[in-house]
Amino acid sequence: NAGVTQTPKFRVLKTGQSMTLLCAQDMNHEYMYWYRQDPGMGLRLIHYSVGEGTTAKGEVPDGYNVSRLKKQNFLLGLESAAPSQTSVYFCATTDTSARSDTQYFGPGTRLTVL
Amino acid sequence: AQSVTQPDIHITVSEGASLELRCNYSYGATPYLFWYVQSPGQGLQLLLKYFSGDTLVQGIKGFEAEFKRSQSSFNLRKPSVHWSDAAEYFCAVGNGGGGNKLTFGTGTQLKVEL
Repeated sequence: NAGVTQTPKFRVLKTGQSMTLLCAQDMNHEYMYWYRQDPGMGLRLIHYSVGEGTTAKGEVPDGYNVSRLKKQNFLLGLESAAPSQTSVYFCATTDTSARSDTQYFGPGTRLTVL
Repeated sequence: AQSVTQPDIHITVSEGASLELRCNYSYGATPYLFWYVQSPGQGLQLLLKYFSGDTLVQGIKGFEAEFKRSQSSFNLRKPSVHWSDAAEYFCAVGNGGGGNKLTFGTGTQLKVEL
């Protein structure tokens, strides 16, 4: 039972390049989230999904796209990377819409855009 | 919209001393409140949460937090800090509803002096 895994762990891109971050979970959770973490700013929600085939915008969605084709996977795409997207990206999952539900986090992906 | 304020960016305590990390929230209804801990290079782990009932909640690793509605606060405490508690601590408020999203504070970095 791996929980929440993220691929890759580290990546360096040049401005304008594209890439996809993969989040995979084996807990059969319905809800999945992508956050970015920047120094002094905490975690900010980029996009989220309330189930397979659904996605929605969070607080800072610009420059990112997501897809949830399978329940266990949530992909975050950067079509044309910018230095402002240098950050640590975390995926999280939760089981239901109950507000008391815990979000479970992956180990993060450290992305640097030159 | 909900918000979370963690007024202390850095806190240093001696091992064995008591600890209190402050968290203030803004939310229109009954808040669902969480404390997460992040060790260096790791994802976030839930310490404890409050959603109803007793206003003093116990968590893992000997941590507790007290919900005070009159002060809009949810401060985290530990009677005796261990060197392994050095980490970054995040307070968050859950909004439930569509997506069950969390809003995080900017975090408090805890340093423990031996």
